[in-house]
Order: sequence, then structure tokens, then C-alpha cells
Amino acid sequence: AQSVSQHNHHVILSEAASLELGCNYSYGGTVNLFWYVQYPGQHLQLLLKYFSGDPLVKGIKGFEAEFIKSKFSFNLRKPSVQWSDTAEYFCAVNALRAAGNKLTFGGGTRVLVKP
Amino acid sequence: DGGITQSPKYLFRKEGQNVTLSCEQNLNHDAMYWYRQDPGQGLRLIYYSQIVNDFQKGDIAEGYSVSREKKESFPLTVTSAQKNPTAFYLCASTAGGSYNEQFFGPGTRLTVL
Repeated sequence: AQSVSQHNHHVILSEAASLELGCNYSYGGTVNLFWYVQYPGQHLQLLLKYFSGDPLVKGIKGFEAEFIKSKFSFNLRKPSVQWSDTAEYFCAVNALRAAGNKLTFGGGTRVLVKP
Repeated sequence: DGGITQSPKYLFRKEGQNVTLSCEQNLNHDAMYWYRQDPGQGLRLIYYSQIVNDFQKGDIAEGYSVSREKKESFPLTVTSAQKNPTAFYLCASTAGGSYNEQFFGPGTRLTVL
């Protein structure tokens, strides 16, 4: 069975600092990769996704993620965070051979950006 | 506006009672999903349905039941057999296929007293 690990449960940083959130998955086959974000009081929404092609993908609000196949990683980055980036971030993986387009989620990382 | 609605937003029940959570989508999506969110554990899949009148167990289906009688509706029943039902429940849908993202509803927070 596939699993997804997010290394940091909580991250606290100041505005303008750079952010990197780690995500590793365990599955040997072809995968689709996602980062979702849950802002306080809001729906879970898609931040970015990787299906194929350029391993560096850009998402909304200045976020990007890099897929490194050899490391089974899909880390999320933002060069300069804002207070409005305070949220919980979830990495998710869809194994293409799995039935039902099921997603396996990591445990989430709560990010607090201090103004 | 297309989207997914879940009701109610907050739900309180006494221990031993069954409770049904509503999920409706008007996105014309084929597949629907129920997740449970607990602090530090991310989202865990309870049940999913790829087509009307068909559904499959997810990773933590024990103590839950679902139905899919209509394309737009996928209600989840939390039964008294669920040992730890207090959680945040999220419903999602997707158009189907492996290259489509899942869209999420606002969630229902269930508290069992």
C-alpha cells in the first residue's frame, strides 16, 4: 500500500521568509502528485499538481513544487511567504494503477506566518 | 455556482446513535469520496463511489455506510459501531479518470457526546 510522509507537522516563520515543505511517498509505480491547502475556515483547495512532463510545477499564489522521482519526493516551495499563507498544507498521491482515482494524503503541515 | 455542499456544518450526537451526513454536488462528476480528517493524520478515505449504485470501501470503512442512488448525492452514515466518530468529515468529487483533481466540500464537524 502506498503511503505519504510530510516531515514537518508545524512550521512557524516570519513574512518574507522562504518556505519549503517536504513530502515523500512510497510507491514504485507511476503516480500523480498534488498539494492541497486548507486556509482557516475554508474548503480544501488544489494548490498545484504534477502528472507528467517538467518536474518543476508552478501553482497558485506563487507556490511551486519539484518532483524528484529518484527520491520519491514532491517538495513544496515558496520564495517569500505572506501572512495570508497561514494554512494547513497536504501532499497527496494517486497511484495510477489504483482503482477509483484514490488519493493518499500525508498528515499535513500547519504553517503559521507571523506578520 | 457549481460546487459541493455538505450539511450540516456542525453536528452533535449522543453516543450510540447513528447519524447521516449529507453531500451533494452539481458538478456532474461521476466519482465521489468521503474522507475523515483528524489532527496530524491528514485525510483518510472512508468510502468512494465511481458510479451510481456502486461504491467501494476505503481504508477506514468500519463503522460507516454509504449509498449512491443518485449521481449528485453520496450520503455517509456514521453508525454506532464506529468506535471514535468525533472528527471532521470531508466529501469530494472528481470527473473521473486518473488525471483529474478532486474537489472538496466545506466539511461537517461531528462531535459525539
